Amino acid sequence: DIQMTQSPSSLSASVGDRVTITCRASQTINTYLNWYQQKPGKAPRLLIHGASSLQSGVSSRFSGSGSGTDFTLTISSLQPEDFATYYCQLSYSSPRTFGPGTKVDFK
Amino acid sequence: EVQLVESGGDLVQPGGSLRLSCTASGLTFSSFWMTWVRQASGKGLEWVANINQDGGEKHYVDSVKGRFTISRDNARKSLYLQMNSLRAEDTAVYYCARDLRGRSGWYFDYWGQGTLVTVSS
Repeated sequence: DIQMTQSPSSLSASVGDRVTITCRASQTINTYLNWYQQKPGKAPRLLIHGASSLQSGVSSRFSGSGSGTDFTLTISSLQPEDFATYYCQLSYSSPRTFGPGTKVDFK
Repeated sequence: EVQLVESGGDLVQPGGSLRLSCTASGLTFSSFWMTWVRQASGKGLEWVANINQDGGEKHYVDSVKGRFTISRDNARKSLYLQMNSLRAEDTAVYYCARDLRGRSGWYFDYWGQGTLVTVSS
């Protein structure tokens, strides 16, 4: 099975910062990569699918890029509601493996 | 408005069984794959199983193969997860989600609120 890793595992940032989270697949996966946001006690929320397609209703400050094995989620200007944990996910087959997550908290 | 509502979570002893349900509204349930995802307290997300529209194709994460069974009843707009031989490491919040095929892969666009399964003596 393909393994997913994320870096960093956590980061501290301030409102207005540009934040970048990286996800790496153990094998090439084209653009079969999703990103989710999860806040404590809540279900995950889909942000990006197909590596770069913004899910309907999601703010344009979120963007995704990458293909092959290396992917990036960027938050252009961090807002208070963006402090959360972010997960990448393999999306072309089962198992639909998630990355271990990146927690974004207040600096 | 799409809603997915899980139920059936409970405290169960190791080796016991439990059946989770997920009832859908606001979507044509029979047209979509569905999936279960779990999350242990303080841990990350783990995909558990999914099922196709008519229940003829199912996939499982290795750690639950032979113990868990995913099924659905399209007439009742319901998804199920039968969990047998439960272990402490199965303790988690279990979410159901719609497993949607897009142009570039599959993604989970609608989620339930989750139901807590605790395996403990």
